[in-house]
Amino acid sequence: GESVGLHLPTLSVQEGDNSIINCAYSNSASDYFIWYKQESGKGPQFIIDIRSNMDKRQGQRVTVLLNKTVKHLSLQIAATQPGDSAVYFCAENSNTGNQFYFGTGTSLTVIP
Amino acid sequence: NAGVTQTPKFQVLKTGQSMTLQCAQDMNHNSMYWYRQDPGMGLRLIYYSASEGTTDKGEVPNGYNVSRLNKREFSLRLESAAPSQTSVYFCASSEAQGGNTIYFGEGSWLTVV
Repeated sequence: GESVGLHLPTLSVQEGDNSIINCAYSNSASDYFIWYKQESGKGPQFIIDIRSNMDKRQGQRVTVLLNKTVKHLSLQIAATQPGDSAVYFCAENSNTGNQFYFGTGTSLTVIP
Repeated sequence: NAGVTQTPKFQVLKTGQSMTLQCAQDMNHNSMYWYRQDPGMGLRLIYYSASEGTTDKGEVPNGYNVSRLNKREFSLRLESAAPSQTSVYFCASSEAQGGNTIYFGEGSWLTVV
């Protein structure tokens, strides 16, 4: 079966520093990936997505990198702010496209 | 724009009781989903509806039923609640399946005692 995992369950960064959150996926046939942010007591919020025909995609202060060779996904947050403190999930589209599979999440804490 | 709205926000049930979680989306999406979220585990799919009139089992369907009432609404029913169903439930929707962004509601916290 598919699996989506994260290298680190927690990450603490100083305000203003850049954050990097990593994700490993197991299915080389997956072709669509999403990063979500989940604040305490709220639902997952879409941050950025990337398709397998791309290696990099940038948004506002966020960049997602996809390395299909090693099946690795990362989320980079520039100039991390206290409001970025949350749990971040990656999600992987399954073979048939019917389902997404989610990692357990990385908890990001921004230290003022 | 409300997006995905689900009710109730919080519920406490006794073992054996039944209840229905309601979900509605206003984005004219074709596909809708119910997930559960447990500590230390990623979101797991309970049931989904690829389009109006269809429903299919996900990864953890046992103990649940769903109804796609119309294009906007997708409900999740627990017929006889068990403590193992204590969880946070999220409804979600997407324009279609296969490579489309899924948008989530704010969650329903369910405790079964």
